[in-house]
Amino acid sequence: GAVVSQHPSWVICKSGTSVKIECRSLDFQATTMFWYRQFPKQSLMLMATSNEGSKATYEQGVEKDKFLINHASLTLSTLTVTSAHPEDSSFYICSATRNKETQYFGPGTRLLVL
Amino acid sequence: AQSVTQLGSHVSVSEGALVLLRCNYSSSVPPYLFWYVQYPNQGLQLLLKYTTGATLVKGINGFEAEFKKSETSFHLTKPSAHMSDAAEYFCAVSEGAGTALIFGKGTTLSVSS
Repeated sequence: GAVVSQHPSWVICKSGTSVKIECRSLDFQATTMFWYRQFPKQSLMLMATSNEGSKATYEQGVEKDKFLINHASLTLSTLTVTSAHPEDSSFYICSATRNKETQYFGPGTRLLVL
Repeated sequence: AQSVTQLGSHVSVSEGALVLLRCNYSSSVPPYLFWYVQYPNQGLQLLLKYTTGATLVKGINGFEAEFKKSETSFHLTKPSAHMSDAAEYFCAVSEGAGTALIFGKGTTLSVSS
């Protein structure tokens, strides 16, 4: 099956710093990648949809200037949390799909902002 | 707009008992429906999915689900629970393959010996 990786798997940072999370499709070219956010004991909420070579489409209520998404290649998308604050602490999960086939999820990145 | 409702945030069963996790959806277009499982501090693993065709879908680990359009339901079942089935289960809907998923709030399954 298709494999999607995320790096790092967990990160702790100080308030005000920026954190970059990578999402890679290891054995296929992902035309579309999605970024989700999951708070403790809650469901996944879609943050944005990222198509290779174009600007990401953000869901309502998600600050595009705070959560920068780059999808520069067919195997890599990055999410940068800028000027992170404690309320940004969450579990961030990406998924990738190729040519509108099944969506494959990464293992997630746990972010803790102190 | 699409939405998913999972009835029961927590379900407890005994080992060997039937597992039934309920999911109802709302969609203005023919839905694609999914069940995912999440173990603590891990990502999501696809259990099964319905796109078109046969309404009874069989997935991994002995799970299956039946798409019932008239009831707008996609309940997940397993005849005999195993301790390793204890996890968080999410039902999700999308407008098509490869499009963004809308998730339910999840159901925690506990299995006791």
